[in-house]
Amino acid sequence: GQQVMQIPQYQHVQEGEDFTTYCNSSTTLSNIQWYKQRPGGHPVFLIQLVKSGEVKKQKRLTFQFGEAKKNSSLHITATQTTDVGTYFCAGPGNTDKLIFGTGTRLQVFP
Amino acid sequence: DTGVSQDPRHKITKRGQNVTFRCDPISEHNRLYWYRQTLGQGPEFLTYFQNEAQLEKSRLLSDRFSAERPKGSFSTLEIQRTEQGDSAMYLCASSRGADLETQYFGPGTRLLVL
Repeated sequence: GQQVMQIPQYQHVQEGEDFTTYCNSSTTLSNIQWYKQRPGGHPVFLIQLVKSGEVKKQKRLTFQFGEAKKNSSLHITATQTTDVGTYFCAGPGNTDKLIFGTGTRLQVFP
Repeated sequence: DTGVSQDPRHKITKRGQNVTFRCDPISEHNRLYWYRQTLGQGPEFLTYFQNEAQLEKSRLLSDRFSAERPKGSFSTLEIQRTEQGDSAMYLCASSRGADLETQYFGPGTRLLVL
């Protein structure tokens, strides 16, 4: 079945350092969505990318969708303690359900 | 609050008991999804509804699980004869139902089966 993998599984950074998580799908995706889940919280939608090669920015966050629409990345510049959480990518399955990636847990040390 | 709500937020039960969870989606949203999330994993799809019709069920949804959305608004997820392996966070999400539509998640119900 369709699989969505993310690396790394964990990332510990010093506040102010950059962070990147990579997402890879076993199949071509019509779109990719990114969610953030704080410890003890629920997934919160961040952004959706639809076009091949698309790049979108939200303040210190940069999201990219690969040319082949099978991979994506999230880059955070100058991390802050408020960035702590698990970042999930998710792509649509063969119907409307979302297939979530394995997640990257980010810890930021002050 | 116009977001997705879920009740209860936490449930502790003994193995073999039945439990029922409720989800109230965002009011104008036609689609409602149930996911299950275990510690350290991403949410896994269980089932979804378009209005009152249940359109897809995951193989994760054994015969002990049943979901309903009788009037196309709120939904319930029932687990019969709970097992310790059912312990997880049960997340509900809703969307308007258009193509490529974002799903908005509720706070989840955390289930612990003793």
